[in-house]
Amino acid sequence: DTEVTQTPKHLVMGMTNKKSLKCEQHMGHRAMYWYKQKAKKPPELMFVYSYEKLSINESVPSRFSPECPNSSLLNLHLHALQPEDSALYLCASSQAGAEVDTGELFFGEGSRLTVL
Amino acid sequence: AQKVTQAQTEISVVEKEDVTLDCVYETRDTTYYLFWYKQPPSGELVFLIRRNSFDEQNEISGRYSWNFQKSTSSFNFTITASQVVDSAVYFCALTSYDKVIFGPGTSLSVIP
Repeated sequence: DTEVTQTPKHLVMGMTNKKSLKCEQHMGHRAMYWYKQKAKKPPELMFVYSYEKLSINESVPSRFSPECPNSSLLNLHLHALQPEDSALYLCASSQAGAEVDTGELFFGEGSRLTVL
Repeated sequence: AQKVTQAQTEISVVEKEDVTLDCVYETRDTTYYLFWYKQPPSGELVFLIRRNSFDEQNEISGRYSWNFQKSTSSFNFTITASQVVDSAVYFCALTSYDKVIFGPGTSLSVIP
């Protein structure tokens, strides 16, 4: 079983909807990440939180809004998405506070998002 | 610039055959880490191995082995006696001073 839990596993939403993706880890990791993965492509980094503060934003459109309520939880709020935003959204965590220093990223199984 | 190349897009092998997945990287940094991840159809990325730039020792873990050669900037991954459960997409990745860079991935199909 994965130690990073993502919900929901599947989400279908319209372009005017507001929804959220959730991620939880209980490994005591201090860095958490959101990645976007299109079919047959590698994951692309979106955001990094280090010690509950946003440390990296890879120029992601504002219709994606991350939130880290505490060190175990990471949310991704979605609003006014486009069909091209349909993808697998992966959450990850690591022990270190900076992505560059990570020994190992632990990934969740992902949330598969479809925007109609 | 940092870059990871996995020249093999798709590989098919028959069960019990050995298979090597190639990974070539580019970086100007002297300190970096290399990784291999497995992504089965379930979607989760599973960590397989990490190597730092100062450790060129090859490693074996069960049926898996890794060959790190700085001289050729390669970090190849060999599966011995492949099994159907090895079918997945495998990503080689590089970290340096700012971010993780994934290669494009190699899709491995092991046919029974």
